[in-house]
Amino acid sequence: DGGITQSPKYLFRKEGQNVTLSCEQNLNHDAMYWYRQDPGQGLRLIYYSQIVNDFQKGDIAEGYSVSREKKESFPLTVTSAQKNPTAFYLCASTSVGQGNTGELFFGEGSRLTVL
Amino acid sequence: EDKVVQSPLSLVVHEGDTVTLNCSYEVTNFRSLLWYKQEKKAPTFLFMLTSSGIEKKSGRLSSILDKKELFSILNITATQTGDSAVYLCAVEGNNRKLIWGLGTSLAVNP
Repeated sequence: DGGITQSPKYLFRKEGQNVTLSCEQNLNHDAMYWYRQDPGQGLRLIYYSQIVNDFQKGDIAEGYSVSREKKESFPLTVTSAQKNPTAFYLCASTSVGQGNTGELFFGEGSRLTVL
Repeated sequence: EDKVVQSPLSLVVHEGDTVTLNCSYEVTNFRSLLWYKQEKKAPTFLFMLTSSGIEKKSGRLSSILDKKELFSILNITATQTGDSAVYLCAVEGNNRKLIWGLGTSLAVNP
């Protein structure tokens, strides 16, 4: 079945450690996104990519890094520079057309807890 | 600054009630407004609205957009416990970026 898969679902890390969250999609979508979701706040965009080997910073990119070497994959690294990394991270994808962004397909999310 | 405001923030109803959720926005170069349902983890798409006054409908859910007054409503009739979720509204503006509201948490009691 087509979909978008995030792993791991739960992750614990110590302060000062980098951690990489995986996001894979088999929907043949060009655009992929990383969002952060915190209680009491809306979804906030970290990074997005509309084509392989290209990505742009979102509203809260500091302390994060991404790569887009393959169309299917858009991993997110939470670095030790991210001051408050404990959060729920959502990956999404959509096809890119001439019109609207359209329907986003979301993964199940990864919950990161920094101890 | 672009913003999307949803109201109410939370709502508790009984099964069978009808609810109306609101989403107002101030977004530069409006392109579309989207509604999502988030039950536990992954938000799932409900509707995309681009034109004023045209109702989108799916079963007991319907939505309409007013581009003059800059808001949208999401109606759920004959609510069921399975409708309990957070309902998210997002507006697409410049550069295809989505601006998200905080969501409305709906609890439907039996």
